[in-house]
Amino acid sequence: DGGITQSPKYLFRKEGQNVTLSCEQNLNHDAMYWYRQDPGQGLRLIYYSQIVNDFQKGDIAEGYSVSREKKESFPLTVTSAQKNPTAFYLCASAVSTGQSYNEQFFGPGTRLTVL
Amino acid sequence: AQKITQTQPGMFVQEKEAVTLDCTYDTSDPSYGLFWYKQPSSGEMIFLIYQGSYDQQNATEGRYSLNFQKARKSANLVISASQLGDSAMYFCAMREASSGYSTLTFGKGTMLLVSP
Repeated sequence: DGGITQSPKYLFRKEGQNVTLSCEQNLNHDAMYWYRQDPGQGLRLIYYSQIVNDFQKGDIAEGYSVSREKKESFPLTVTSAQKNPTAFYLCASAVSTGQSYNEQFFGPGTRLTVL
Repeated sequence: AQKITQTQPGMFVQEKEAVTLDCTYDTSDPSYGLFWYKQPSSGEMIFLIYQGSYDQQNATEGRYSLNFQKARKSANLVISASQLGDSAMYFCAMREASSGYSTLTFGKGTMLLVSP
């Protein structure tokens, strides 16, 4: 089955530790995205990548880093510089950018709790 | 100014009734796309419906339809014959030409509860 996988579903970390969230897709999509969702809030864009080995900052990139070495994978690292990392993180992909109609497909999300 | 505004934090509807979820948007681009997503309690985002700014007709997908009023910059989602499984958060989102259609901007969402 084609889709997006995120692991793990729940993640606990101590304050001051870096943590990497996994996102893998087998949809052959060029574009991938990371969003953060806080309670009662919509999704806010952290980083996105339109092609392998290239990525751009979103609205709230501070304290996060990404890599895009393979088309299928777009891992997100939450660094110790992120002031309030506890949140629900969603990964998404799209066929490509450049058209208005390409919907984004989402993974099941990772709920990160920093203790 | 917010690009996407969803003014209803929560909505209640009885099963089998229709419900309208409001969405207004702000853009100066002539070309843009509007999306609605559903987020059940499991957390995954599910794409429901899309409306392009140049589309002449309102989009429909099964029980979902989009009441697109371009001059008012509104794109309300209409769910007909509500079902218990429709209980979820609903998000309106927009993609604009000025960003190269590369990113989506989301509203804060509306929580819909369907009662028996």
